[in-house]
Amino acid sequence: NAGVTQTPKFRVLKTGQSMTLLCAQDMNHEYMYWYRQDPGMGLRLIHYSVGEGTTAKGEVPDGYNVSRLKKQNFLLGLESAAPSQTSVYFCASSFGFGNTIYFGEGSWLTVV
Amino acid sequence: RKEVEQDPGPFNVPEGATVAFNCTYSNSASQSFFWYRQDCRKEPKLLMSVYSSGNEDGRFTAQLNRASQYISLLIRDSKLSDSATYLCVVTGNQFYFGTGTSLTVIP
Repeated sequence: NAGVTQTPKFRVLKTGQSMTLLCAQDMNHEYMYWYRQDPGMGLRLIHYSVGEGTTAKGEVPDGYNVSRLKKQNFLLGLESAAPSQTSVYFCASSFGFGNTIYFGEGSWLTVV
Repeated sequence: RKEVEQDPGPFNVPEGATVAFNCTYSNSASQSFFWYRQDCRKEPKLLMSVYSSGNEDGRFTAQLNRASQYISLLIRDSKLSDSATYLCVVTGNQFYFGTGTSLTVIP
């Protein structure tokens, strides 16, 4: 059972480089999310999507862009990476806001 | 004010002990409530949903108090494998996560 799959799992970037984190879910969920988790800060929502072709800003969207071209995929892009974006990134999905949310295994990103 | 607040702990308890965590939420219109468990360097995973009448799953009991706007998690007969961070989750028009309560069960 794949559930929510994220790639890559680990990545080191230099300041100013760009990259894309890929997220795929096989549960036919409408809603998908990108969170970052930093020590002492808990999970913070970056962007989310309530269906194919839709995206919306979360709590900390600056410096990130997203796309949801297919229902099963949600991509998170960093256009010009900054050290402040060093974090663990979790993709998640759910049927809706009131339903169980399922997480991917996380992507550890370091920006130097 | 944060949507969801938890005591971060840490809670260090001996094996076999009973431990309880509380979580308060600010929005009285919140609709769904969950407890998640997160192990070190892993993703959060659903431990249990929290229902209005309270619910139990083995050694775990979850309670909801809408009047006082808090949810609780009780763990009985703690095991070493219960060591983790426990996140409370409250939903309305969004998922709101607590920052987590750290539990270490000591032999």
